[in-house]
Amino acid sequence: EIVLSQSPGTLSLSPGEGASLSCRTSQNVNNNFLAWYQQKPGQAPRLLIYRASSRATGIPDRFSGSGSGTDFTLTISRLEPEDFAVYFCQQYGNSPWTFGQGTKVDIK
Amino acid sequence: QVRLVQSGAEMKKPGASVKVSCKASGYTFTNYAIHWVRQAPGQRLDWMGWINGGNGYTKYSHKFQGRVTITRDTSASTVYMDLSSLRSEDTAMYYCATHYGDYVVWGQGTLVAVSS
Repeated sequence: EIVLSQSPGTLSLSPGEGASLSCRTSQNVNNNFLAWYQQKPGQAPRLLIYRASSRATGIPDRFSGSGSGTDFTLTISRLEPEDFAVYFCQQYGNSPWTFGQGTKVDIK
Repeated sequence: QVRLVQSGAEMKKPGASVKVSCKASGYTFTNYAIHWVRQAPGQRLDWMGWINGGNGYTKYSHKFQGRVTITRDTSASTVYMDLSSLRSEDTAMYYCATHYGDYVVWGQGTLVAVSS
């Protein structure tokens, strides 16, 4: 199975700053089927980015995804107060689906 | 649009079984697989298994093999996840999801709490 490793574990930033989150996979992800999600306590994951770089419907353009193969990045250009949350990556191109352990973005 | 709606929260005692449903709409049910994923408190998401909506073929994670059974009712466009021999460590949110086109669509989640 493909192992996903996210870094850093926690990112402490101020509103208005930019954030760069990394997701590395142990093998290439088929068809770049790599997604990024935002999750807040008690809520289901919210899809932000699919297929590594496509923004989901209704997601602000301050969120962007990049990368291919085994190295992927989620960038948040300017943090808004509602962006402080946990972000995790998922690969769904290979069976079984696997997930990163998450990066917590909290307020500095 | 594609939608997955799950059954409500469950409270169970250790040793019991739980059956969670996931009703699909907005697409041809038999053309896609539905997966089950769980998230224990503070843990990363964990894939449990999937079922082919067309032929009913299933594949399970080794971690849950023997305790999880996924079935489907094509007439109701509904998938069921049955987890047996529950223990406290099974307390988690359980999600169904489907890989539709280029992305994954998720159900809203079902909380299963196991406590004596």
